[in-house]
Amino acid sequence: QVELQESGPGVVKPSETLSLTCNVSGDSISSFYWSWIRQSPGKGLEWVGHIYFRGATDYNLSLKNRVSISIDSSKTHFSLTLGSVTAADTAVYYCARQGKYYGIDVWGPGTAVIVSS
Amino acid sequence: DIQMTQTPSSLSAFVGDRVTITCRAGQNIDKFLNWYQHKPGKSPRLLVYAASTLQSGVPLRFSGSGSGTDFTLTITNLQPEDFATYYCQQSHGVPLTFGGGTRLQIK
Repeated sequence: QVELQESGPGVVKPSETLSLTCNVSGDSISSFYWSWIRQSPGKGLEWVGHIYFRGATDYNLSLKNRVSISIDSSKTHFSLTLGSVTAADTAVYYCARQGKYYGIDVWGPGTAVIVSS
Repeated sequence: DIQMTQTPSSLSAFVGDRVTITCRAGQNIDKFLNWYQHKPGKSPRLLVYAASTLQSGVPLRFSGSGSGTDFTLTITNLQPEDFATYYCQQSHGVPLTFGGGTRLQIK
């Protein structure tokens, strides 16, 4: 059974770069799409972007050119990089897997990120 | 982007009630519609994918229906553990988009 676990800094300074990693256990990244989703305080769920196991990516254009998702060569981790962060990027960030019909069937527990000086 | 409009935004019901949540897509998304349950401090849980297919382990009191632009999630015989926020999400195209959520509260 696949399990996901996010890791990264809990606090990032404004204008700096946020980097998060998702550890995949119970399987390798050998199929499916792998996503990042976030939830800002008091708001709903927002899809950040995803990466196909072969490396193709799609991003939420609302994040413009600040976002990048990659898979490490061991195929056991994938990562999110978000540049030039502002307070609007404060959120709980989830890594997740898209399964059948691209429904998000496996979620990490989430990691809270606060953008603050 | 495909806009997802979810109604109502909040709902109160008694244990044992039947409730229906509606989701409307801004364009035809065929059956690429998924439903999630989200409780505070937990990660979302997939309930239904492909509009009407129950995810493994989800109780049969949950059901989904619809295709094209109009979809519903129905919960019969509400249980105390069902009080949560529910989201629809389209997976027909990128960016993946979610409805605004329906907060289901106990009456």
